[in-house]
Amino acid sequence: GENVEQHPSTLSVQEGDSAVIKCTYSDSASNYFPWYKQELGKGPQLIIDIRSNVGEKKDQRIAVTLNKTAKHFSLHITETQPEDSAVYFCAASRGSGGYNKLIFGAGTRLAVHP
Amino acid sequence: EAQVTQNPRYLITVTGKKLTVTCSQNMNHEYMSWYRQDPGLGLRQIYYSMNVEVTDKGDVPEGYKVSRKEKRNFPLILESPSPNQTSLYFCASSLYLHETQYFGPGTRLLVL
Repeated sequence: GENVEQHPSTLSVQEGDSAVIKCTYSDSASNYFPWYKQELGKGPQLIIDIRSNVGEKKDQRIAVTLNKTAKHFSLHITETQPEDSAVYFCAASRGSGGYNKLIFGAGTRLAVHP
Repeated sequence: EAQVTQNPRYLITVTGKKLTVTCSQNMNHEYMSWYRQDPGLGLRQIYYSMNVEVTDKGDVPEGYKVSRKEKRNFPLILESPSPNQTSLYFCASSLYLHETQYFGPGTRLLVL
């Protein structure tokens, strides 16, 4: 089955710097890769997703890149702000062949210091 | 307001005492799922449902049961809870699998 590894587990940056979180997946048939942000005491919330037919997607300060050959995808946050401090999860899914699960990475705790 | 609700939010119980955590969504979503969150392990899927009366195991289904008799509800049942089921549980729903999943606020369970 699918396995998703996420690095780093913790990340500390200064406000205004960029942050990059990387994930690798094992199932070459996976075709959907969402990123979720979890603030303290809340459930995760989708911030961006990418499908296997595109290599990059951007939404304001957030971007995701996908390298299908290497089976890895990354989240890029530019001009970080204190409110970006949270736990971020990547996930991967195939959604076909009876494999209808969403597999999450272990999470990255991002701290943005003013 | 579009939302996923879970009850209870906090629960302390003892080993072997059956419990049910309810989950309800008001967005007419087809796909619903239960996850548990443990430190260092991220979110692990327990069970999911593609539609009414269609459920399947996730990655950690042992010790759990679910049912999907109505589209909006997806209860999680622990027939005989054990201490290793102490965790933070999230219910989520989405229109389909590869669409935005909306998570509930979580249920923190402690099994003594």
